[in-house]
Amino acid sequence: NAGVTQTPKFQVLKTGQSMTLQCAQDMNHEYMSWYRQDPGMGLRLIHYSVGAGITDQGEVPNGYNVSRSTTEDFPLRLLSAAPSQTSVYFCASSYSFGGAPYEQYFGPGTRLTVT
Amino acid sequence: GENVEQHPSTLSVQEGDSAVIKCTYSDSASNYFPWYKQELGKRPQLIIDIRSNVGEKKDQRIAVTLNKTAKHFSLHITETQPEDSAVYFCAASLYGNNRLAFGKGNQVVVIP
Repeated sequence: NAGVTQTPKFQVLKTGQSMTLQCAQDMNHEYMSWYRQDPGMGLRLIHYSVGAGITDQGEVPNGYNVSRSTTEDFPLRLLSAAPSQTSVYFCASSYSFGGAPYEQYFGPGTRLTVT
Repeated sequence: GENVEQHPSTLSVQEGDSAVIKCTYSDSASNYFPWYKQELGKRPQLIIDIRSNVGEKKDQRIAVTLNKTAKHFSLHITETQPEDSAVYFCAASLYGNNRLAFGKGNQVVVIP
């Protein structure tokens, strides 16, 4: 299994440009999440999904869109990039059993710089 | 929503000593508490977790304790080694909801 994969690994954008960060998992996990990591701020939840066709906002959703058309894929779209979106982005997937949450598996991350 | 706080932000320990990191959470309904370790430039990885129906869990040199009354949980690393140097994140979640709220992280530095 490849686990959770993310592309690209690095990206530089100009202010106002748009782009999509790709995330895929091959573990058939129902839950998927996007986090951003900034120095001293920990991991902050942007958007998450509890299954195909179902998404919800996290702690810092402004400026980002998501969709989940399949169990495997959960792309994150930056609509109009701003320097404040310079960060490392992690995608994660997880499962539950009997309602109990289990380990979140993280992708390798995408380092995004907006100039 | 859930708010998770970690203290101290940086912890330096001599190799072989113990390290303890404490987290507090705000939502008394939270019932799942994982700890993640992140080495420099790597992804976070789960090292241990605890559920609210137990008070302590151990895995070799790592243990986690939970005090539901006080709403805090702690990570204990014994006999620290240089490879324990990393950032450690605590988190909290509810059953029926895999949405994790993370603390800001603790940098642990093990001095050889």
